[in-house]
Amino acid sequence: GENVEQHPSTLSVQEGDSAVIKCTYSDSASNYFPWYKQELGKGPQLIIDIRSNVGEKKDQRIAVTLNKTAKHFSLHITETQPEDSAVYFCAASFNSGGYQKVTFGIGTKLQVIP
Amino acid sequence: DADVTQTPRNRITKTGKRIMLECSQTKGHDRMYWYRQDPGLGLRLIYYSFDVKDINKGEISDGYSVSRQAQAKFSLSLESAIPNQTALYFCATSDLVQGGETQYFGPGTRLLVL
Repeated sequence: GENVEQHPSTLSVQEGDSAVIKCTYSDSASNYFPWYKQELGKGPQLIIDIRSNVGEKKDQRIAVTLNKTAKHFSLHITETQPEDSAVYFCAASFNSGGYQKVTFGIGTKLQVIP
Repeated sequence: DADVTQTPRNRITKTGKRIMLECSQTKGHDRMYWYRQDPGLGLRLIYYSFDVKDINKGEISDGYSVSRQAQAKFSLSLESAIPNQTALYFCATSDLVQGGETQYFGPGTRLLVL
């Protein structure tokens, strides 16, 4: 089955700096890669996603890149703000018998220091 | 109002007790999921349901059962709780989008088994 590795597990950055979280996946059939942000006391919320036919996607201060050949994808947050502090999960998914099988990374706890 | 709600939000129980966690959604999605979240292990799938008559085991279904009472309701039961079932439990629904499947999570239920 699919295996998703995510690192680092914790990340501290100064406010205004950039943060990068990296994930690798093992199954070349994976074709959809969402990123979720989990704030304290809440469930994960989708913040950005990328499909396998795209190499990069941006949404204001966040961007995601995908390298299908190397089977890795990354989340980039620029100009970090204290409200970016949260746990971030990457995921890889593919269609398996009509079901989009999703495998999550272990999460990265991001702390933005004011 | 939240689209995906979970009750209770916190629960303490004793080993051997049967408990039920409930999930309701107003998003109109057919697909619903139960995950557990443990530190260092990310989100792991317990059960999923594509509609009222379709229930499927996930990667860690042992010790759990589910019931899909209606399109909007999906409950998770621990038949005889044990301490290693102490975790944060999330219900989710999903929406098929082109090339992928976005999941929408509830706020979570924190369960402690003594």
